[in-house]
Amino acid sequence: AQTVTQSQPEMSVQEAETVTLSCTYDTSESDYYLFWYKQPPSRQMILVIRQEAYKQQNATENRFSVNFQKAAKSFSLKISDSQLGDAAMYFCAYKGGRGTSYGKLTFGQGTILTVHP
Amino acid sequence: DTGVSQDPRHKITKRGQNVTFRCDPISEHNRLYWYRQTLGQGPEFLTYFQNEAQLEKSRLLSDRFSAERPKGSFSTLEIQRTEQGDSAMYLCASMPGAPDTQYFGPGTRLTVL
Repeated sequence: AQTVTQSQPEMSVQEAETVTLSCTYDTSESDYYLFWYKQPPSRQMILVIRQEAYKQQNATENRFSVNFQKAAKSFSLKISDSQLGDAAMYFCAYKGGRGTSYGKLTFGQGTILTVHP
Repeated sequence: DTGVSQDPRHKITKRGQNVTFRCDPISEHNRLYWYRQTLGQGPEFLTYFQNEAQLEKSRLLSDRFSAERPKGSFSTLEIQRTEQGDSAMYLCASMPGAPDTQYFGPGTRLTVL
């Protein structure tokens, strides 16, 4: 079974600074997808960024980028120019490729990000 | 563009009562997922529908839990004889097809007294 581990229960960053959230995963599959989701307090979960395992290029979405190390099974999220609105719980998630697991997501335990003004 | 909606947003019930939650996915999304999230933890998969067919159930889904998706549109999740351990946030997500992104609803927070 696939597992996702987020070893940082809490992180904090100063506004406008950069922070990196860590995620490692375990799988025997070669085709899969990785995601970072953001869950603000009492609000719904929204997608931050996704990475297809077959793509070597790291995904980027505006201030958010990932460092995908397939051999090391590592998938970290970098948030640049942090804003107060980035404060939330961040979840790393794994999804198997076509024909496996019907697309269900396996989540890590989450990292609470605090942004200080 | 309406997102995934869930009803009710909050439910407080007494132990032993039955509860039912509803999820309305994004229209034309044929895949629908239910997850359970306990406080401070990541969501855990419960069950999956492709159109009206329930194709996968987690072992977390005991026989007190039942889910349906009639006509492949909205879905319901029923918990019979609720227990305090059922207290959690129940999340619904939908997806247009594989390999795509799941879009989550706001969740139903269940408190069992």
